[in-house]
Amino acid sequence: NAGVTQTPKFRVLKTGQSMTLLCAQDMNHEYMYWYRQDPGMGLRLIHYSVGEGTTAKGEVPDGYNVSRLKKQNFLLGLESAAPSQTSVYFCASKAGGATGELFFGEGSRLTVL
Amino acid sequence: EDKVVQSPLSLVVHEGDTVTLNCSYEVTNFRSLLWYKQEKKAPTFLFMLTSSGIEKKSGRLSSILDKKELFSILNITATQTGDSAVYLCATKAGTSYGKLTFGQGTILTVHP
Repeated sequence: NAGVTQTPKFRVLKTGQSMTLLCAQDMNHEYMYWYRQDPGMGLRLIHYSVGEGTTAKGEVPDGYNVSRLKKQNFLLGLESAAPSQTSVYFCASKAGGATGELFFGEGSRLTVL
Repeated sequence: EDKVVQSPLSLVVHEGDTVTLNCSYEVTNFRSLLWYKQEKKAPTFLFMLTSSGIEKKSGRLSSILDKKELFSILNITATQTGDSAVYLCATKAGTSYGKLTFGQGTILTVHP
């Protein structure tokens, strides 16, 4: 009963390096989201997807790219990491339709030096 | 731009106290308001409120929504140290594909 799984859970990068965070869900959910959480700012939406092969920008998309090649996976990429991207990243998923809650992964803590 | 504001930002109480957390919002095409509890890791779902004036309860936690005044409160009675967490309020708009707009969160610390 895994739910939403994020990998890796911790990562330290140097400025300019690239990396990919993987989110996998086993609930057959249509919608998936990437949020970042910074102190005093709650969670802010980076990108989201409403189905396989679709992606859309959220509130803070700059510096990130995403892909949803398979329904169960949602990848978040940083092409050239910056210290401002030091944060905790949460993936979430939801069944399609208007109702229902989001299910969150346990978070990935990224530090960019 | 949708906006969700929580208060207070932090709160320290002793076991047995009752606390009230506040959440006000400005959302275009509002559909629902959700409360989450976040301990060390993932936020976990507490309540979803869509109708004004109807209280949702789960044990010592309860919440109510006022759609006229655009706010919600989360009450916790007889607090325990296990209630220590960040409490997040979020809103969902009608055309948002389930996207949530979050407030800053309230950090609740319950001392023995």
